[in-house]
Amino acid sequence: SQQGEEDPQALSIQEGENATMNCSYKTSINNLQWYRQNSGRGLVHLILIRSNEREKHSGRLRVTLDTSKKSSSLLITASRAADTASYFCATASNSGYALNFGKGTSLLVTP
Amino acid sequence: NAGVTQTPKFQVLKTGQSMTLQCAQDMNHNSMYWYRQDPGMGLRLIYYSASEGTTDKGEVPNGYNVSRLNKREFSLRLESAAPSQTSVYFCASSYSELAKNIQYFGAGTRLSVL
Repeated sequence: SQQGEEDPQALSIQEGENATMNCSYKTSINNLQWYRQNSGRGLVHLILIRSNEREKHSGRLRVTLDTSKKSSSLLITASRAADTASYFCATASNSGYALNFGKGTSLLVTP
Repeated sequence: NAGVTQTPKFQVLKTGQSMTLQCAQDMNHNSMYWYRQDPGMGLRLIYYSASEGTTDKGEVPNGYNVSRLNKREFSLRLESAAPSQTSVYFCASSYSELAKNIQYFGAGTRLSVL
C-alpha cells in the first residue's frame, strides 16, 4: 500500500526560487528516500535519510525528517529549469522488502 | 555500464493477447522488482525477487507472472492482457532485498491494452 503522501501535488516556481515538498507517512520506518522522475523516464534516487537522522544535505538538496510527526521535507534551493520533474518520497520499513512510494509532487520551474 | 535495461519501450496489445516484458541489470544486484505506474499514482509493486531463484507477490500481482531467469534477468508476463493493465511498467534492482537499500530503475515500458 502507498504509505507516503506528498504535498503539494503540484508546484510552480521561477528559476532561482526555492522549492519545498513535503511527505507524510503512517508507520515506522528504517529510512525515507526521495526520487526524481523526469517526464517519460525512470526514477532516479536523490537522497536517503535514516530514521535516526534529522537533516541531510546533498548539493542543492536538503532533506529533513521528523519521526515524531512522521513527516519529511525536501528543499531544492536556487531552482533551475532542469529541476522540472516529479518528486516522490519512498519509505522503507525495517523488515519489508519493497519501498512504498507516494503519489509524487510535480514541480515546474520556469525560466 | 547500462544499469537497468527494459525491453520493449512501447507496446500495444489487444485484449487477451500475451506478452513478456524483459528486464536486465548489469550491476550484480541481488534483488529485482517490477512496478506499475498509473496517472496520478505513485509506483505500486507487482512482484519482486529477493535473490536468484525466489519470487514473491507485491501489492498488485493479479494478472501477472514473473520469472527470475538468472541473477541479471527478471521478466514479467501478462498471460491474457486486459485494458486495466494499460500502464507504465518499471523494473528496478537493488543490492539486497532489504528495503533499506537504494533502488535503480529502468526507463520503463509503456503498455496500452485495447
